[in-house]
Amino acid sequence: DTGVSQDPRHKITKRGQNVTFRCDPISEHNRLYWYRQTLGQGPEFLTYFQNEAQLEKSRLLSDRFSAERPKGSFSTLEIQRTEQGDSAMYLCASSLGGGEGITYEQYFGPGTRLTVT
Amino acid sequence: AQKVTQAQTEISVVEKEDVTLDCVYETRDTTYYLFWYKQPPSGELVFLIRRNSFDEQNEISGRYSWNFQKSTSSFNFTITASQVVDSAVYFCALSEAPGGSYIPTFGRGTSLIVHP
Repeated sequence: DTGVSQDPRHKITKRGQNVTFRCDPISEHNRLYWYRQTLGQGPEFLTYFQNEAQLEKSRLLSDRFSAERPKGSFSTLEIQRTEQGDSAMYLCASSLGGGEGITYEQYFGPGTRLTVT
Repeated sequence: AQKVTQAQTEISVVEKEDVTLDCVYETRDTTYYLFWYKQPPSGELVFLIRRNSFDEQNEISGRYSWNFQKSTSSFNFTITASQVVDSAVYFCALSEAPGGSYIPTFGRGTSLIVHP
């Protein structure tokens, strides 16, 4: 399977604990995105990498959230001191990187469903 | 700022009916991209189509067709002869190009239920 993969698929944690999610993009894609999705909403952008560089972060991404893509391949998203409001589906997507002004479609992983109790 | 509105929260049809999902967008850029994604009950978003702002040709792919009208800032999606497997949430998204980010803004989605 050469699609986007995410691990774990489900995570239940207690408030205050730290959690880390992993995303493996499609191998030839140099752009990687993290989104959060809650019930009845579309995906909300969190952050985006081009290769290993984190180029943009949403204001939704509080200082408890950090993301890395150390070698320009897989990425991790860590949430520290989780809160009940962090409960959501966390989606990863990847895409090709085009030239200036070109946006390619994104391919999404299955998501990690986080439940904070 | 870019914005996508999917006014239809939920649509319910009987199999074999045609159904149109509406998408209206706002952008200040002249160059932008529009997308449709499908999210079936399994949860994984599936890419359906990408269209840039300079290509107003309508597109047909099997039972799916898309109508892009810049004059009304709409990018509507029609499923002909709907099937139960079409039941899903459908998202429209917009990404501004030059001068903007590559980050798409998604609408809130339209839930399509196709009854047998």
